[in-house]
Amino acid sequence: EPEVTQTPSHQVTQMGQEVILRCVPISNHLYFYWYRQILGQKVEFLVSFYNNEISEKSEIFDDQFSVERPDGSNFTLKIRSTKLEDSAMYFCASSSGASGQETQYFGPGTRLLVL
Amino acid sequence: QKEVEQNSGPLSVPEGAIASLNCTYSDRGSQSFFWYRQYSGKSPELIMFIYSNGDKEDGRFTAQLNKASQYVSLLIRDSQPSDSATYLCAAAGGATNKLIFGTGTLLAVQP
Repeated sequence: EPEVTQTPSHQVTQMGQEVILRCVPISNHLYFYWYRQILGQKVEFLVSFYNNEISEKSEIFDDQFSVERPDGSNFTLKIRSTKLEDSAMYFCASSSGASGQETQYFGPGTRLLVL
Repeated sequence: QKEVEQNSGPLSVPEGAIASLNCTYSDRGSQSFFWYRQYSGKSPELIMFIYSNGDKEDGRFTAQLNKASQYVSLLIRDSQPSDSATYLCAAAGGATNKLIFGTGTLLAVQP
């Protein structure tokens, strides 16, 4: 069964450093998403991406964040200068459409710890 | 602010019983609703989704949607200890179908 994959599974970084989180969505999916979950809190939407551009972003997704689809398979989230409060689990998700009846499938997540 | 509300629990039920999980949402524009299960430290795993008023059954799971009351529920029949997890309710909407999650309800099924 196709699945979303994410690398790395864990990332430890120093405050102020740049990190890139990688995702390989399900191959025939067209819509891609990043969510994050701070420990003990709810899953929060960060950004959606379609047709090689951002289609929607949340207030959390400020200028420190960027997304890219550098090739036909990878989807990346870059945090330029990490802060302590960026420590969270980051989930990538993909879906085949956005009509409201398509399921978003989540990857296993990357646990980011900023020291 | 578009929100999804859930009781954080824990909800404790004996093995074999019916577990009832509830969720309310604030955005009447939400089109469909998803129930995900999340084990500690893991990613959300889809259980089922619903977009029409009424009931939808899938095996031991039944989702119920009442758009007038802005209320979604999930029933788990014949609960098993392996069902013990946090159950996340999410509302999808907008042009990109982004998901707005509730805080989740922790379910504990006692053997």
